[in-house]
Amino acid sequence: DIVLTQSPGTLSVSPGERVTLSCRASQSVVSNLAWYQQKPGQAPRLLIYGASTRASGVPARFSGSGSGTEFTLTISRLQSEDFAVYYCQHYVNRPPITFGGGTQVEIK
Amino acid sequence: QVHLVQSGAEVKKPGASVKISCQASGYTFDSSSIHWVRQAPGRRLEWMGSINTDTGNRRFSQNFQGRLTLTWGTSTSHMDLSGLRFDDTAVYYCAKGGGNIWYRAWFDAWGQGTLVTVSS
Repeated sequence: DIVLTQSPGTLSVSPGERVTLSCRASQSVVSNLAWYQQKPGQAPRLLIYGASTRASGVPARFSGSGSGTEFTLTISRLQSEDFAVYYCQHYVNRPPITFGGGTQVEIK
Repeated sequence: QVHLVQSGAEVKKPGASVKISCQASGYTFDSSSIHWVRQAPGRRLEWMGSINTDTGNRRFSQNFQGRLTLTWGTSTSHMDLSGLRFDDTAVYYCAKGGGNIWYRAWFDAWGQGTLVTVSS
């Protein structure tokens, strides 16, 4: 299975700061990577697919980059509603689809 | 607007089976795959399997081979997990597959989740 490792595990930030989250794959997933936001008691919400394409309705402050094994989700200026857990997920040809362990973004 | 609505919470004994339904609306049901993902307490999201709602083809995680059954009907998909164990306690989600290849999908809409508790 392809293992996705997210770092850091927890990030303490202040509103308005720029945030960079990392996702590393154990082998190349090309650009077949998505990012999700999950708030307590809610289902995940798609933010990014294809490593860098924003999903419908996602604010422009969210951006994704990377390819192969190294990926980044950047939130340009953190808003209060952005405090949540963020997961990456690959979707290459061979199953299973896997998710990273998540990065919790909390208020500093 | 796309909506996926799941059936309600379940409490089951070890060894039992659980069946969860996922009612879809707001899009053409057979144009997108349905995937099932679970989230156990304190653990990462885990993909379980997927069904092509046009052809009926299925893919499963090896972790659930032999225990997981996926079916579909009119705008509804069902997940049946048998041989329940304590560590199957989790929130189970259905999710709509995005993209043009049904088994290589991101998930662009999610159900609200169904809590399954396995307890003696």
